[in-house]
Amino acid sequence: KNEVEQSPQNLTAQEGEFITINCSYSVGISALHWLQQHPGGGIVSLFMLSSGKKKHGRLIATINIQEKHSSLHITASHPRDSAVYICAVIYNTDKLIFGTGTRLQVFP
Amino acid sequence: GAVVSQHPSRVICKSGTSVKIECRSLDFQATTMFWYRQFPKKSLMLMATSNEGSKATYEQGVEKDKFLINHASLTLSTLTVTSAHPEDSSFYICSARVSGRDYEQYFGPGTRLTVT
Repeated sequence: KNEVEQSPQNLTAQEGEFITINCSYSVGISALHWLQQHPGGGIVSLFMLSSGKKKHGRLIATINIQEKHSSLHITASHPRDSAVYICAVIYNTDKLIFGTGTRLQVFP
Repeated sequence: GAVVSQHPSRVICKSGTSVKIECRSLDFQATTMFWYRQFPKKSLMLMATSNEGSKATYEQGVEKDKFLINHASLTLSTLTVTSAHPEDSSFYICSARVSGRDYEQYFGPGTRLTVT
């Protein structure tokens, strides 16, 4: 059974800080998603990764297939980045297995 | 980018009534859509997989007669909560997988259902 673990569960930061959120999974996967959920509920797909690294604006996502680990980095964090960040993996089906999420609060 | 809409965003209904929630892929075709339920401060729980032109596949423990799913076109799936009860109150989210692109999914903004 694939388990998806995220760390930390909660994270606070000052505006401008560099932030890293980690995701580990237990078996081989086909792809990994990073999602963002703001208060109020809507989910935004940030990245889909199967290897390497992707960058979009201040967000960077990396994945290491051998180590079964992915990281989401936020550079120059801003209060509007405050949200829950969710890692989700797809392994042998097209169903997503979700991590428990990381609640990020960025203070001005 | 790919956009998925849900309607309504919020709905309040009385016990015993039925509520229909729509999920639309606005700028891409989605052969497969997924319906999730989320309890407060919990992760998303997959309810069912909706395939265009065929019956939905429900996850264990999800009552198919209570949560009716119809995927009549490549851009629209609907979830109908029948004979709603207060315990059905939840946040319902859909996602749509881009046809022909494995593993690429986009999420709708969610629908907050409150049953009184």
